[in-house]
Parts: sequence; C-alpha cells; structure tokens
Amino acid sequence: AQSVTQLGSHVSVSEGALVLLRCNYSSSVPPYLFWYVQYPNQGLQLLLKYTTGATLVKGINGFEAEFKKSETSFHLTKPSAHMSDAAEYFCAVRPSGGSNYKLTFGKGTLLTVNP
Amino acid sequence: KAGVTQTPRYLIKTRGQQVTLSCSPISGHRSVSWYQQTPGQGLQFLFEYFSETQRNKGNFPGRFSGRQFSNSRSEMNVSTLELGDSALYLCASSLSQAGTGELFFGEGSRLTVL
Repeated sequence: AQSVTQLGSHVSVSEGALVLLRCNYSSSVPPYLFWYVQYPNQGLQLLLKYTTGATLVKGINGFEAEFKKSETSFHLTKPSAHMSDAAEYFCAVRPSGGSNYKLTFGKGTLLTVNP
Repeated sequence: KAGVTQTPRYLIKTRGQQVTLSCSPISGHRSVSWYQQTPGQGLQFLFEYFSETQRNKGNFPGRFSGRQFSNSRSEMNVSTLELGDSALYLCASSLSQAGTGELFFGEGSRLTVL
C-alpha cells in the first residue's frame, strides 16, 4: 500500500519569500511522484513529476522538487513566492510497476501569499 | 487541443435520487479515471477505465458505477444519493494506462445532495 503525508495543511508566506511545501511518501516499490496545484473552482494541474533519472525536477511556474529516497521525501520549493501562487497543492504517488495505475494523493497544503 | 471536459459543472440533487456525470477526455487519450474530492477525505480514487474496461476500482460502495464508451468518453453514476456524496467529482485522462501516469484533470462536477 502507498501513502502520502503532506506536513502542514496551511502554509503562509510573504510575497518574495521562499516557498517550501513538504511531502513524505510510503511505498513498497519505487514510486512515481507528482505535485499538482488546484486553483479555486478548478481541476488539478500538474506542476512537476519524478519518474526516473535526475532527482531534482523542475516544473512550471518556477517550482522544483527533489526526490530523496533515503528520506522518502519529495518536497516542493520555489525561491520567490508570487501572489498568483496562492492555491492548494497536492503531492501524489503511484507505483512505477505492476498493474495499479491509480494516484494516491496527500491531503493537500493550502498556500497563502501575503503582500 | 481541448482539455478534459466534464458536464455538468454544478448540480443539485436530493437524497435517494441518482446522478450521471459525463467526461470527455483529451483527444487520443484512452484512459479515464474518476476521483472524489471532499474537504474531509481529500482526493479519493473511484475507478479507472481503459479501452472500455474497468481496470482499477477504489473503495466505494456499489452505488458508484461507471463506464467508458468506444470513443473513450466516460460516465459515472451514483444511485440512491446520500448527503455524504456531496463532493467535487474530478475526471482525469491519460494517454495510456502504462507509462508515467501523468493525469490531465477536468474542472470537475460539483454535486450537492440536499
């Protein structure tokens, strides 16, 4: 079974400050990892994903995440927050092999950006 | 290229009724998944279809069902609605069942059960 834990249901930062959203996963097989963003009244949009290869992954809107196997973590960062980054962020995991292709999501982290 | 389209976007039903939600995937995508999103439970997997066959199913009661048509469009049905079924229902499509599993989501159908 797989699970995802997002530390902090709500993170508040000032505009221009570093954004750090934490995600830890549990998986018995090598996982694929994803970060999605959801703006109010919209669906989920993929920010970035880790499958294989380079552990530092760059995504859209200046976000990046680093896969750390030893720490079972996949934290999302952005050097400088912008007001438009205010949204809910979801970390997700799925197994890299087998026949189960469903995504398991974390509970989400609501990011607030203060002017 | 059009994205994933879900209809209706909003609907209100009463307990005991049934509802059908529709999803049109991105052109060329053959896999369609459905998720339920609620404030309390977050995003929960309902089921996944590929080439008209249900390949995976989440832990939901039999009142929740779905199907996929030959053109990859999908519908999900909830019968005998309960108050707890109020949620945002998200449909997602992907190019194939294999691969990295990147999902493209629609904007969802928001169901309110009174």
